[in-house]
Amino acid sequence: DAKTTQPPSMDCAEGRAANLPCNHSTISGNEYVYWYRQIHSQGPQYIIHGLKNNETNEMASLIITEDRKSSTLILPHATLRDTAVYYCIVRVGANSGSARQLTFGSGTQLTVLP
Amino acid sequence: NAGVTQTPKFQVLKTGQSMTLQCAQDMNHEYMSWYRQDPGMGLRLIHYSVGAGITDQGEVPNGYNVSRSTTEDFPLRLLSAAPSQTSVYFCASSYRTGSYEQYFGPGTRLTVT
Repeated sequence: DAKTTQPPSMDCAEGRAANLPCNHSTISGNEYVYWYRQIHSQGPQYIIHGLKNNETNEMASLIITEDRKSSTLILPHATLRDTAVYYCIVRVGANSGSARQLTFGSGTQLTVLP
Repeated sequence: NAGVTQTPKFQVLKTGQSMTLQCAQDMNHEYMSWYRQDPGMGLRLIHYSVGAGITDQGEVPNGYNVSRSTTEDFPLRLLSAAPSQTSVYFCASSYRTGSYEQYFGPGTRLTVT
């Protein structure tokens, strides 16, 4: 699995876009970028994933650079409830028959300020 | 959809007691798993199931049993609780085995004294 690098912490003003970067310079062609978050005392929450095209869902957008060596998770209008640790991980895509253990690095602590 | 539900939210046990942590999902997911999360240790996989009637061990299975008689339910049994099992336990599910798109329950905080 490719290694990822994220800033340890970021602040964002409420209502503004939060842009969380992730470097994954050793990513291989069949590896996806996944984003999770964990709000304090809650279970991890899947946000979004992508291979090479930009992706958007109801929670966030994922922008992956053309060389795929980095990506940015965008929360378009951050709220106080978005304060959490955000994890970027790089893994191969779904492959039936093999259990997948989720492991996170240290992530980015995003604090949304009022 | 309720998603993944877990009960109880909190539990205190004495050493040697047994109990069952409940997990249910209403998304018709094939794959279900149990993790524990300890400070500084990240998530560690205890047991997992790739379908009804099929279970297997993860990274830290000792002291825990599981069964999966239905697609929806995946209980975790602590046979004889030990202080080392004090942790937060998360149940997770995914549509397909092998997917990293996993959905987690709210967790059970267990303290063993």
